[in-house]
Amino acid sequence: DTEVTQTPKHLVMGMTNKKSLKCEQHMGHRAMYWYKQKAKKPPELMFVYSYEKLSINESVPSRFSPECPNSSLLNLHLHALQPEDSALYLCASSQGPPGTGEDEQFFGPGTRLTVL
Amino acid sequence: TQLLEQSPQFLSIQEGENLTVYCNSSSVFSSLQWYRQEPGEGPVLLVTVVTGGEVKKLKRLTFQFGDARKDSSLHITAAQPGDTGLYLCAGTETSGSRLTFGEGTQLTVNP
Repeated sequence: DTEVTQTPKHLVMGMTNKKSLKCEQHMGHRAMYWYKQKAKKPPELMFVYSYEKLSINESVPSRFSPECPNSSLLNLHLHALQPEDSALYLCASSQGPPGTGEDEQFFGPGTRLTVL
Repeated sequence: TQLLEQSPQFLSIQEGENLTVYCNSSSVFSSLQWYRQEPGEGPVLLVTVVTGGEVKKLKRLTFQFGDARKDSSLHITAAQPGDTGLYLCAGTETSGSRLTFGEGTQLTVNP
């Protein structure tokens, strides 16, 4: 298994809703990432988990809450989002954490999020 | 100032033409990746280069890493409509802890 999977593929939510994005990989990778991508722009890093611990939070608003239940799973909990949070949310994983020489990242297909 | 300067930003060519995309920086990178992304999908890894001066080929795509590990290029020979997409370079600085992306090159190959 050499892929990163993400669910759901599409999500529409209101500003008062609570929802979660899910990401899974079975490559034995020890680092997992959440990115946000706006149309025609490169991905922007949100969070990095290394060995199931949060190692980087790029000053992301608290309405985004990451969780790493185990080494294969990564969740992103969403609450009280704003319309400007609408974007493609990408999950990625790498064999080792950033800067270790084993940090080649593989991306999932993304979740297209629309906040009404 | 963008850490990784990617050019051109947009490129529209006819099928069969050749093209080169550049990724430049003043920083040294321990590795550099090239990705291709289609609308609504995640980036797909094309290649990773790690050694200064390295050249890698993937069918009609040729990737080069600069001798000083500060720049890279992607050359496509005889482009086809299926090559259309957003091409992203991304690298980790030697002292860095995160992957940095260039702004991307939107390539359109017209039949």
